[in-house]
Amino acid sequence: NAGVMQNPRHLVRRRGQEARLRCSPMKGHSHVYWYRQLPEEGLKFMVYLQKENIIDESGMPKERFSAEFPKEGPSILRIQQVVRGDSAAYFCASSPPGALYGYTFGSGTRLTVV
Amino acid sequence: EDQVTQSPEALRLQEGESSSLNCSYTVSGLRGLFWYRQDPGKGPEFLFTLYSAGEEKEKERLKATLTKKESFLHITAPKPEDSATYLCAVQEAGNNRKLIWGLGTSLAVNP
Repeated sequence: NAGVMQNPRHLVRRRGQEARLRCSPMKGHSHVYWYRQLPEEGLKFMVYLQKENIIDESGMPKERFSAEFPKEGPSILRIQQVVRGDSAAYFCASSPPGALYGYTFGSGTRLTVV
Repeated sequence: EDQVTQSPEALRLQEGESSSLNCSYTVSGLRGLFWYRQDPGKGPEFLFTLYSAGEEKEKERLKATLTKKESFLHITAPKPEDSATYLCAVQEAGNNRKLIWGLGTSLAVNP
């Protein structure tokens, strides 16, 4: 019973390139969440998705960032034209539908922009 | 503005020396308070959810309690493997699923 799978674990991009981060939720989980963790700032909510729907993107920067969770395949967090300030650990979490549950997190993708 | 404050920032204990971590929160209505553990280079690992004041939950050497303004994570007779960063997060009442996180308490347990 695999947990939340994120890949790649580490990603290095040059300024101006695109970064694609993938997340496969736990089996049976239909809700996916993306968080960003910066040193000294803690975890910050970015976006909450269900299959084919963005439910809450209030934490996503208005430009360059987008997220999707297609009917088939993993959820994707896409960052276009990366800048040094995008360097961070990006965590995906998933939960079952329905009532309140603790999320299960993946191991994260560490993005470094050089 | 909703806030979560954890104290202390860092704590160093001897093996077997019990202590408590604090999480104080300010939200308009609490749906749930979460405790997680995070090891270096890994994602947060779920420990507990507390829903209402007076509630307590236990797991091995950890016990979490909740009041209307704060939560405590009590660690009894800790072992070196309990060394980690302990994170607290809250979820507001309503349909909102996002968590608001504290900065964590970094715990080191010396053998």
